[in-house]
Amino acid sequence: DAKTTQPNSMESNEEEPVHLPCNHSTISGTDYIHWYRQLPSQGPEYVIHGLTSNVNNRMASLAIAEDRKSSTLILHRATLRDAAVYYCILKETSGSRLTFGEGTQLTVNP
Amino acid sequence: EAGVVQSPRYKIIEKKQPVAFWCNPISGHNTLYWYLQNLGQGPELLIRYENEEAVDDSQLPKDRFSAERLKGVDSTLKIQPAELGDSAVYLCASSLRGLTGELFFGEGSRLTVL
Repeated sequence: DAKTTQPNSMESNEEEPVHLPCNHSTISGTDYIHWYRQLPSQGPEYVIHGLTSNVNNRMASLAIAEDRKSSTLILHRATLRDAAVYYCILKETSGSRLTFGEGTQLTVNP
Repeated sequence: EAGVVQSPRYKIIEKKQPVAFWCNPISGHNTLYWYLQNLGQGPELLIRYENEEAVDDSQLPKDRFSAERLKGVDSTLKIQPAELGDSAVYLCASSLRGLTGELFFGEGSRLTVL
């Protein structure tokens, strides 16, 4: 499985934007970039995914570099409830496993 | 719509005892996963089912772990006998087979082996 690299931790202030980076220099052409997050004492939850183009949904935006070797998850206005571990994962097409790394622990300050 | 349901939520046992975890996936989801999560680490895949067939069990320690998914719906993960190092959270997830296959996770079963 292609690997991703994320900072161990990041901090943000409430109601400010947060940019969570992810490096994936060995990404293959068929790998989708997925983001999940895990709140304390809960299972991971899906946030967003993309292949080449930038993506937006109600939770976040995903900005993908033109060479696809890096991506950034953007939370437009962080809330205290966004404090979680954020995982950036490369997933091959249908039927393959989802391999988690250690993720980025996001702390949101009031 | 109900999410992925796991039980028990918490389990404390002594080493060498058996333990079983149960998972009910989202209705209609044909793919089911069991993950193990140690404290401070990301989840690690143990086994993946497509319907009732285990298609990826390379990470399952088969000497003491077993899993089944009868009729391609509910699944059970068993450990016998449990060891101290098995203390962890066991997560179940399900998804629809497809190009991107978003995974839906349950809350997990936290196992403590004394």
